[in-house]
Amino acid sequence: AQTVTQSQPEMSVQEAETVTLSCTYDTSESDYYLFWYKQPPSRQMILVIRQEAYKQQNATENRFSVNFQKAAKSFSLKISDSQLGDAAMYFCAYDGNKLVFGAGTILRVKS
Amino acid sequence: DTAVSQTPKYLVTQMGNDKSIKCEQNLGHDTMYWYKQDSKKFLKIMFSYNNKELIINETVPNRFSPKSPDKAHLNLHINSLELGDSAVYFCASSQEDQETQYFGPGTRLLVL
Repeated sequence: AQTVTQSQPEMSVQEAETVTLSCTYDTSESDYYLFWYKQPPSRQMILVIRQEAYKQQNATENRFSVNFQKAAKSFSLKISDSQLGDAAMYFCAYDGNKLVFGAGTILRVKS
Repeated sequence: DTAVSQTPKYLVTQMGNDKSIKCEQNLGHDTMYWYKQDSKKFLKIMFSYNNKELIINETVPNRFSPKSPDKAHLNLHINSLELGDSAVYFCASSQEDQETQYFGPGTRLLVL
């Protein structure tokens, strides 16, 4: 079964600084998708970024970018110029034939 | 316009009762899902439907029965509620399998 591991239960970052959230996954598949979702206190699940495994180029969305290392099965999220509104729980997720979530990382942003 | 909506947002009920949560998506997606998020924030898929047909059924107790009257709706009915059913339940939809899933706002269920 596929598993997703987020080894950082909690992270802190100073406003305007950069932070990287870690994610590793386990799969024997070669074709799959990876996602980062954000869940603020409102509990809404918001898509941050998506990566297709067949694409070597790392996905970027404005201040959010990923470092996708397929051989290492690693999919980290980098948030640049952190803002107070980035404070949330971040979930890494793998989709082979169903979406499997990691345990989440709480991100705190200090002003 | 809300893309994926759920009703109710909050549900407080007694053990042993039967309750339903409704989900509707106006995105024209073919696939809908139910997820459970427990008290430790862990999210796990329960069911998925594609064009009203059940595709994924994780090891969920028989007390949980999803119903899809049409591809825009996926409701979740829960019989004989137990304390352990207390959680946040999310509905989601996607155009196809492995496409980006869009989530509803969640329904917080509290069983007393």
